[in-house]
Amino acid sequence: KAGVTQTPRYLIKTRGQQVTLSCSPISGHRSVSWYQQTPGQGLQFLFEYFSETQRNKGNFPGRFSGRQFSNSRSEMNVSTLELGDSALYLCASSTSRGTGLTDTQYFGPGTRLTVL
Amino acid sequence: AQKITQTQPGMFVQEKEAVTLDCTYDTSDPSYGLFWYKQPSSGEMIFLIYQGSYDQQNATEGRYSLNFQKARKSANLVISASQLGDSAMYFCAMTERKAAGNKLTFGGGTRVLVKP
Repeated sequence: KAGVTQTPRYLIKTRGQQVTLSCSPISGHRSVSWYQQTPGQGLQFLFEYFSETQRNKGNFPGRFSGRQFSNSRSEMNVSTLELGDSALYLCASSTSRGTGLTDTQYFGPGTRLTVL
Repeated sequence: AQKITQTQPGMFVQEKEAVTLDCTYDTSDPSYGLFWYKQPSSGEMIFLIYQGSYDQQNATEGRYSLNFQKARKSANLVISASQLGDSAMYFCAMTERKAAGNKLTFGGGTRVLVKP
């Protein structure tokens, strides 16, 4: 079974631009979560989508948004990029059959975003 | 207060020896799950092991075992017979039932370097 894929793997943008990152989950997985990883803040939860609905959201400004399609693929968008948005963005998928406590999240390779 | 604390920022371990990575957590939710992930320099997060708050036995997965001490709120990862390929960042993470859906809260990580 193919793993979680993320595109693009690397991205360079300038301040003020917007960016869209894509994530394809493992086949059969309906939950997709996004995380931001930076040296200063570590790994932080952005949001989770399940069956095309946002089920959970982290503490990030409204510039960060996402969506999920009927095939469970997900995109996240960051508008009006700031230098501090430079990070590794990780997507994870899970089956999410239950409460989430035991649902192992499997991660993709990440998209490394650099904002100049 | 930090929900997940990993007090060892980095450590060296001799090849073929065992190593213990510390993780303490803080939650008032009686239902939670604890995960360990490995992140090599490539960036992808690799799931290693899971422990549920109601699990009576310590989890084991191959060379990985979790020393779960619920009263002390600790979930230390033990890697036996270290290999050079074990060199990576290791993250402890938690999910809580009160947080709807999947939301992993991560610790700051421990960098492990295995010496030949």
